[in-house]
Amino acid sequence: KQEVTQIPAALSVPEGENLVLNCSFTDSAIYNLQWFRQDPGKGLTSLLLIQSSQREQTSGRLNASLDKSSGRSTLYIAASQPGDSATYLCAVRGSSNTGKLIFGQGTTLQVKP
Amino acid sequence: DTGVSQDPRHKITKRGQNVTFRCDPISEHNRLYWYRQTLGQGPEFLTYFQNEAQLEKSRLLSDRFSAERPKGSFSTLEIQRTEQGDSAMYLCASSPIGGGDPNQPQHFGDGTRLSIL
Repeated sequence: KQEVTQIPAALSVPEGENLVLNCSFTDSAIYNLQWFRQDPGKGLTSLLLIQSSQREQTSGRLNASLDKSSGRSTLYIAASQPGDSATYLCAVRGSSNTGKLIFGQGTTLQVKP
Repeated sequence: DTGVSQDPRHKITKRGQNVTFRCDPISEHNRLYWYRQTLGQGPEFLTYFQNEAQLEKSRLLSDRFSAERPKGSFSTLEIQRTEQGDSAMYLCASSPIGGGDPNQPQHFGDGTRLSIL
């Protein structure tokens, strides 16, 4: 059974710092991994999707890496801003047949001005 | 592309009542998913549709829960005889099927927050 874990559960950093969020999964047989952002009381906004054959994806100040063999992904946020404050969730897709996502518990990030 | 729309945004009801939520996916998205998210946790898969066919249901979806997507467009999720443990955010997501490529991101709505008194 696939399990996804995110560490740390919460993180507080001063504005301008670079930071890394971690995601690990127990079954390396995945189709892709997706990083989401969730603001309080809102739905999920897709940030990056990494296919199983890829090693990383970049979008602006965000960079996500994937090491399938070790069951790990990281989300790197450069030059953090207060507007980055949110909960970040990673999710893996284990089968092309269903497309269902298995989520981690999330990391709640606070960037202090 | 107006995004995934969910209605209502909030629902407060007494234990034992029935509730129904609606999800309108992004147009032309074949796949529609329902997830449930409790406070401090990541979303958990409930069920998904490909067009009008419900192809998978989680064990979390007890017999009090039923979902439909009658014309392959919008979907409804009904909970009968609600219980305290049903209090959660119910999220809907949709994705296209593009040329058999499984690597299509899911787009989420803002969810329906259910509170059981």
